[in-house]
Amino acid sequence: SAVISQKPSRDICQRGTSLTIQCQVDSQVTMMFWYRQQPGQSLTLIATANQGSEATYESGFVIDKFPISRPNLTFSTLTVSNMSPEDSSIYLCSATTGPTGELFFGEGSRLTVL
Amino acid sequence: GENVEQHPSTLSVQEGDSAVIKCTYSDSASNYFPWYKQELGKRPQLIIDIRSNVGEKKDQRIAVTLNKTAKHFSLHITETQPEDSAVYFCAASTRAGGGNKLTFGTGTQLKVEL
Repeated sequence: SAVISQKPSRDICQRGTSLTIQCQVDSQVTMMFWYRQQPGQSLTLIATANQGSEATYESGFVIDKFPISRPNLTFSTLTVSNMSPEDSSIYLCSATTGPTGELFFGEGSRLTVL
Repeated sequence: GENVEQHPSTLSVQEGDSAVIKCTYSDSASNYFPWYKQELGKRPQLIIDIRSNVGEKKDQRIAVTLNKTAKHFSLHITETQPEDSAVYFCAASTRAGGGNKLTFGTGTQLKVEL
């Protein structure tokens, strides 16, 4: 398994500002993903973070709102831009390691937008 | 895209009883079906998974069954204990590159009562 660290673990943000979440994995991974989990809801895939190239976004998510970087195999960032209260959620970094492709999650970053 | 439905949304059982959670999926190309347990305020944790070449898999008190023809799979927990209380998510995937891009069900809140 992989150990996935995220920061910040939580933050309170003002409307209109942007916040960048960092994700670090302790071993080389094949794929990295960013999920959103709204309060009491399931997990929704935002995008696949591709090393050295633009992320692949799911329907309903766009690069201008959620820019993602992945400069190397073990690190990725997600920025939530121009935040509104509707962006209040838990953002989860995830990664797969090895040929079995099991998906592991970071602890999540809980954002509250006022 | 893939659509995963999960039932029931809440499940209450007495300690020692069995619990069953059921999921259906829409994409016949899906071939990997993990189950995650999420305790309050914690990250989702992989508890068991099954691949399409297997009909059943068991790990101590937990088992998963898969019916590819009907496109449904189920989680069975026997001899439930209070620490089994959590939200359980099923997921389905067609492999994306070297890893698994997962679509999650809506979750089941399991409560094990003393």
